[in-house]
Amino acid sequence: AQSVTQLDSQVPVFEEAPVELRCNYSSSVSVYLFWYVQYPNQGLQLLLKYLSGSTLVKGINGFEAEFNKSQTSFHLRKPSVHISDTAEYFCAVSEREYGNKLVFGAGTILRVKS
Amino acid sequence: DAGITQSPRYKITETGRQVTLMCHQTWSHSYMFWYRQDLGHGLRLIYYSAAADITDKGEVPDGYVVSRSKTENFPLTLESATRSQTSVYFCASSVAEYEQYFGPGTRLTVT
Repeated sequence: AQSVTQLDSQVPVFEEAPVELRCNYSSSVSVYLFWYVQYPNQGLQLLLKYLSGSTLVKGINGFEAEFNKSQTSFHLRKPSVHISDTAEYFCAVSEREYGNKLVFGAGTILRVKS
Repeated sequence: DAGITQSPRYKITETGRQVTLMCHQTWSHSYMFWYRQDLGHGLRLIYYSAAADITDKGEVPDGYVVSRSKTENFPLTLESATRSQTSVYFCASSVAEYEQYFGPGTRLTVT
């Protein structure tokens, strides 16, 4: 069965600094990978997705992620964060054979400080 | 463009009562999902539906019932609410690209 591990529950960072949010997954089959963001008291919004092709995926708000099949990782990065990036970020995986069912990680709270 | 809506947004109910959470989407997406969000667990899938009249269990289905008579609606019913069902519930919908679109959530408190 697939599972997702987000290695940091909270990541504090100063404004304009780079950030990396780590995500590892386990699955025995090919997968689709996603990063979602949740702002306080809101639903989840898709940041980016990896379905196939280039392993470097660019998303909204300047975020990008790299799919590493050998390390089963899909880390999220941003070169310079803003206060407005403060939110909770969720990594999710679905197995290609089983359609649209997503399995989510526990989430990482990104706190951007001025 | 209404997208996906959930009602009510907040609900307080008592142990043992039946409660129904509503989800409505305007995109005619074939897939719909119900998740619960609890601290430390991320989102866990309760039930999902691939089309009208087709539903299936997710990771945590016990104590919940769903139906989908129309493509746009996917209500979730707690037949006899328990305190362990206090949570934030999210509905989502998607098409074949596997990207799910989420509603704003319903915060349910069972006393």
